[in-house]
Amino acid sequence: GQQVMQIPQYQHVQEGEDFTTYCNSSTTLSNIQWYKQRPGGHPVFLIQLVKSGEVKKQKRLTFQFGEAKKNSSLHITATQTTDVGTYFCAGRDGANNLFFGTGTRLTVIP
Amino acid sequence: NAGVTQTPKFQVLKTGQSMTLQCAQDMNHEYMSWYRQDPGMGLRLIHYSVGAGITDQGEVPNGYNVSRSTTEDFPLRLLSAAPSQTSVYFCASSSGSLDEQYFGPGTRLTVT
Repeated sequence: GQQVMQIPQYQHVQEGEDFTTYCNSSTTLSNIQWYKQRPGGHPVFLIQLVKSGEVKKQKRLTFQFGEAKKNSSLHITATQTTDVGTYFCAGRDGANNLFFGTGTRLTVIP
Repeated sequence: NAGVTQTPKFQVLKTGQSMTLQCAQDMNHEYMSWYRQDPGMGLRLIHYSVGAGITDQGEVPNGYNVSRSTTEDFPLRLLSAAPSQTSVYFCASSSGSLDEQYFGPGTRLTVT
């Protein structure tokens, strides 16, 4: 069945360091979404990528969708304490089913 | 707009009890879904609905029922609670099946 793997599971960084989380699918995805969940909160939509090789930026966040549409990454430049939370990717297969990755929990040390 | 609301926020059940988790949205979204979130396993889809009167199973539907009599409401029913159903449950809605999902605040359920 469809699986969306996400690494790393946890990441601790000093404030100001960069952070990257990776998402890999066993099959080709039609699109991929990224969500952020603050501790004790609910997932909040960040962005959706649709095209092969697509790159989108939101301030310090850069999202990429791989050329083969099987992987994606989220990179945060110069992390801040407000970046703390768990970041989830969610890949959609050809049948429009959405599969969430296991998430990467980011801790930022001031 | 309240967005997506869920009740209750917390619930403790004994094994074998039944209950309904409520979910409502005021954004006139056609697509609604229920997820459970367990540590280290991300979000897993339980059931979803593409519109009033239409529901379908997701990845982990066993032990749960849903109905969609109106566009606004999408309740999730636990038929006979089991400890394995201890989890955080999120309801989500979107304007279409391909669009961004708006999540409710969640219900934390413990089954003893």
